[in-house]
Amino acid sequence: QTVVTQEPSFSVSPGGTVTLTCGLSSGSVSTTSYPNWFQQTPGQAPRTLIYNTNTRSSGVPDRFSGSILGNKAALTITGAQADDESDYYCVLHVSGMWVFGGGTKLTVL
Amino acid sequence: QVQLVESGGGVVQPGGSLRLSCAASGFSFSYYGVHWVRQAPGKGLEWVAFIRYDENDGYYVDYVDSVKGRFTISRDTSRTTLHLQMNSLRGEDTAVYYCAKDAGFYGMDVWGQGTTVTVSS
Repeated sequence: QTVVTQEPSFSVSPGGTVTLTCGLSSGSVSTTSYPNWFQQTPGQAPRTLIYNTNTRSSGVPDRFSGSILGNKAALTITGAQADDESDYYCVLHVSGMWVFGGGTKLTVL
Repeated sequence: QVQLVESGGGVVQPGGSLRLSCAASGFSFSYYGVHWVRQAPGKGLEWVAFIRYDENDGYYVDYVDSVKGRFTISRDTSRTTLHLQMNSLRGEDTAVYYCAKDAGFYGMDVWGQGTTVTVSS
């Protein structure tokens, strides 16, 4: 069974830069995994930040960027702001299915 | 403006059935697919199903293994609303269910606000 891995938690200082990663329990993530990244605050629906590795969804500021770093997908947030404090989820297309990671809780302090 | 609105959630007993709806505007099901994603209380997101129709009304559909044979996606005659028929419901199906527009086979780009399903006796 494929498991998508994410850091359970991360912290960043206001104005700082943070990179969250999304990997596979076995194998490497590539562009053919079509990594997506989503932001979710408590009680709200997810909001798409990035799809297809590095395409920003409509209205998403360019502080958010997606890439492949080594064998993982990555979401980089530059100039972190207080309202970036959220849960971040990635999803990968694996063997014909979409599999979500467990999410990363990002704290801005 | 692309918008999706889910409805139909509620409380149902184990073994029961429920039909969720996803009303779409701003795009056509003939050109974009729709995902169903759920989130159990206090847990992460889980992909449930995907459907995409083509211009000839053919379709591709797939489900996560845990719902295969129990959940079915269909489209109503208006062609602007999808339904997720959920049968033989179990406690572990308790979740907020979201529908999300497919980003051209590359993932999900617009989400609805979700509808809550509680399976409990």
